[in-house]
Amino acid sequence: ETGVTQSPTHLIKTRGQQVTLRCSSQSGHNTVSWYQQALGQGPQFIFQYYREEENGRGNFPPRFSGLQFPNYSSELNVNALELDDSALYLCASSLGGTGAQEKLFFGSGTQLSVL
Amino acid sequence: GDSVTQMEGPVTLSEEAFLTINCTYTATGYPSLFWYVQYPGEGLQLLLKATKADDKGSNKGFEATYRKETTSFHLEKGSVQVSDSAVYFCALREDTGRRALTFGSGTRLQVQP
Repeated sequence: ETGVTQSPTHLIKTRGQQVTLRCSSQSGHNTVSWYQQALGQGPQFIFQYYREEENGRGNFPPRFSGLQFPNYSSELNVNALELDDSALYLCASSLGGTGAQEKLFFGSGTQLSVL
Repeated sequence: GDSVTQMEGPVTLSEEAFLTINCTYTATGYPSLFWYVQYPGEGLQLLLKATKADDKGSNKGFEATYRKETTSFHLEKGSVQVSDSAVYFCALREDTGRRALTFGSGTRLQVQP
């Protein structure tokens, strides 16, 4: 049990729709990052938020956007869904330390299916 | 850019067998290296880490040594159990810049009784 909760656990959408995924960080954690894990692949970094500001982004188009709230919970929004967006979306929270001291705690993920 | 290459699975072993999962990496700087484990229906859990060359990470009987000269971080366990069945991911993180994790594609381990 990592203390990071994600909702919903499963979601089915159709192509072109918009989706919002939610993440509640572990208590006291001020940094959250989002990863996309396609079937049979390793997770790929989408972006990271530190104290409500985006401070890092992977190779994802602008239709992937996020928010971090004052309580450090977070949302991932995806517009104009495409079939290839079908994946497990993982949220990870941390204390925002430096280097390898920054231990990430992952949620169980949201499984998104785009039809 | 940074990348991680893992041996493909699935790896199928009998209980008490010796395990090796190979991992090599490419990085521009001096990354920290990690092994994560994903059990069915669960998120990723950190298994072990090493932050500099020749460091050995260990946890729950698993070990991996940071080999800078061969850019490798192979995971080993002397005697696997059925409960070790999971998907194992090798990952790296640069200590400057974005500091995101870069993962390999994962290796599924199946341990049979």
